[in-house]
Amino acid sequence: AQSVAQPEDQVNVAEGNPLTVKCTYSVSGNPYLFWYVQYPNRGLQFLLKYITGDNLVKGSYGFEAEFNKSQTSFHLKKPSALVSDSALYFCAVRDSITGGGNKLTFGTGTQLKVEL
Amino acid sequence: DGGITQSPKYLFRKEGQNVTLSCEQNLNHDAMYWYRQDPGQGLRLIYYSQIVNDFQKGDIAEGYSVSREKKESFPLTVTSAQKNPTAFYLCASTGTGFTDTQYFGPGTRLTVL
Repeated sequence: AQSVAQPEDQVNVAEGNPLTVKCTYSVSGNPYLFWYVQYPNRGLQFLLKYITGDNLVKGSYGFEAEFNKSQTSFHLKKPSALVSDSALYFCAVRDSITGGGNKLTFGTGTQLKVEL
Repeated sequence: DGGITQSPKYLFRKEGQNVTLSCEQNLNHDAMYWYRQDPGQGLRLIYYSQIVNDFQKGDIAEGYSVSREKKESFPLTVTSAQKNPTAFYLCASTGTGFTDTQYFGPGTRLTVL
């Protein structure tokens, strides 16, 4: 079975400061990990994914994520937050040995609020 | 312009009515999905399809039905058996590789009056 947890319902950060949105996962095989962002009343937009290789993954809009196998984590980061980054962020996981469908399991989401 | 379209954007339903949500993709993806989103609960999988004329139940299929007659289309019907249908519905598609990214449509907000 695959599962993902986002321990923080909301993260507040000042504009210009670094931000971190946390994600931990559980899988039976190798994890394939994804981050998405959602603005109000919109669909999810893909930010980045980890498949294999370098533990630091770079994505869209200046976001990056660090894969840590020993801690089973895949935290989303950005060096300098913008007010326009304020949105709902979802972490998702797919297990390499899960049965058919290429299904993703999503966390419950973290609301990021960037303030001036 | 490739992507996933969903219609309508907003839908209002009276109790006891069936309604159908449209999802179309021109990404040439084999797999398509329907999710339901409620505040604080993340995304829950309703149905998915990996190939034309075949589909499987997700975690919350009761009260919903789907069809997959064409590769590009995966409509979702919310039946009167769904007791609490008010939610935001998202359609997604992907290729069949394990590393393929799932892409989402803009969503349909269904409200029961």
